[in-house]
Amino acid sequence: DQQVKQNSPSLSVQEGRISILNCDYTNSMFDYFLWYKKYPAEGPTFLISISSIKDKNEDGRFTVFLNKSAKHLSLHIVPSQPGDSAVYFCAASAIDQAGTALIFGKGTTLSVSS
Amino acid sequence: GAVVSQHPSRVICKSGTSVKIECRSLDFQATTMFWYRQFPKQSLMLMATSNEGSKATYEQGVEKDKFLINHASLTLSTLTVTSAHPEDSSFYICSARDPSGGAYIQYFGAGTRLSVL
Repeated sequence: DQQVKQNSPSLSVQEGRISILNCDYTNSMFDYFLWYKKYPAEGPTFLISISSIKDKNEDGRFTVFLNKSAKHLSLHIVPSQPGDSAVYFCAASAIDQAGTALIFGKGTTLSVSS
Repeated sequence: GAVVSQHPSRVICKSGTSVKIECRSLDFQATTMFWYRQFPKQSLMLMATSNEGSKATYEQGVEKDKFLINHASLTLSTLTVTSAHPEDSSFYICSARDPSGGAYIQYFGAGTRLSVL
């Protein structure tokens, strides 16, 4: 059973507009959430994270929102740029897992057109 | 961020041969490394957790005799795919957690594309 779900496999946005990528999780033990960006044939690159004690974290054009009651988080990219086109993975971790292996969603492919 | 180096980036081998993939943490010591596998258009699936100086912990359904993991030092973990078959063809990615950078951020290698003929 998938613990981290990204229900939209793809998203297309015009340059300059906002991109909103969504992620849902089922495990209430998760307390830390991360977003990674991945280009083909490369490893994922860390983007931004948020802990369960917060509901928002911002870093430049990237903002992550967490709604614990809904077990939902989202990544906002504004303004979107063509270079943002990639696969975005949502990942989660539970505080008491030794080694803290991340659990990943299936990813959302973002395409930003100029 | 921390740097994780993975080698080789691509391997093509014949069925029945063994392939070794190396994962190195370049600027930090990693007591724990993780090995993931990704099928086309699928998520990153955790295969095993590699622990320095002790046996790896494998996820359910992953054959430990098939995927041998050795974490002999604080900067190197290796994954050996033994007697590889076409169904083992996949994208393998390692990652390591930099303790100084925060407990939950994992940094990833560039991945290894394995093609078994």
